[in-house]
Amino acid sequence: AQSVTQLDSHVSVSEGTPVLLRCNYSSSYSPSLFWYVQHPNKGLQLLLKYTSAATLVKGINGFEAEFKKSETSFHLTKPSAHMSDAAEYFCVVRGGSNYKLTFGKGTLLTVNP
Amino acid sequence: DGGITQSPKYLFRKEGQNVTLSCEQNLNHDAMYWYRQDPGQGLRLIYYSQIVNDFQKGDIAEGYSVSREKKESFPLTVTSAQKNPTAFYLCASSSPGLAGATQYFGPGTRLLVL
Repeated sequence: AQSVTQLDSHVSVSEGTPVLLRCNYSSSYSPSLFWYVQHPNKGLQLLLKYTSAATLVKGINGFEAEFKKSETSFHLTKPSAHMSDAAEYFCVVRGGSNYKLTFGKGTLLTVNP
Repeated sequence: DGGITQSPKYLFRKEGQNVTLSCEQNLNHDAMYWYRQDPGQGLRLIYYSQIVNDFQKGDIAEGYSVSREKKESFPLTVTSAQKNPTAFYLCASSSPGLAGATQYFGPGTRLLVL
């Protein structure tokens, strides 16, 4: 069994300040972890993924995430928010060889000018 | 350009009507998926298919049906048995056999009930 908890349903930051979106997971297997971004009425775009290689994963648009097994966390960060980062972000876990992805409920990021 | 297309962008269903959502991919992926998205609930898996002529139920398959006659196509039918069909429907595909295989998503279809 696997599950994902996104700890904040809504995060609000000012443009140019750091972004932190928090995600905890549980999995019976060595997991693969993903962050996707969704702009309004659009499909999901992959930001980055962890697949048991380096624990610090760099993604597109300046985002990165760190896999911490001891804390079962996979938080998403960005040093400086841009207005175009405003969107909904989903943390996703895939356990073992199962094709099934389990999605968190999403974190809505707003960026204030 | 390689990718996943979904049509239509908006779809309206009348009471008692079956409607079919289209999903096509030209990524040469073997696996395809259908998800339903409701506000505040993330995405939930309806059906998935790992190979042509084979598919499995996901978590919320009741009231839906699929077919997989071609590798590139995975249409979803929302039947009259689905009593609450209003949602955003997303199709995805992936290439199996790769560790941590990534699912790529289409732009979605929004289904509304008249």
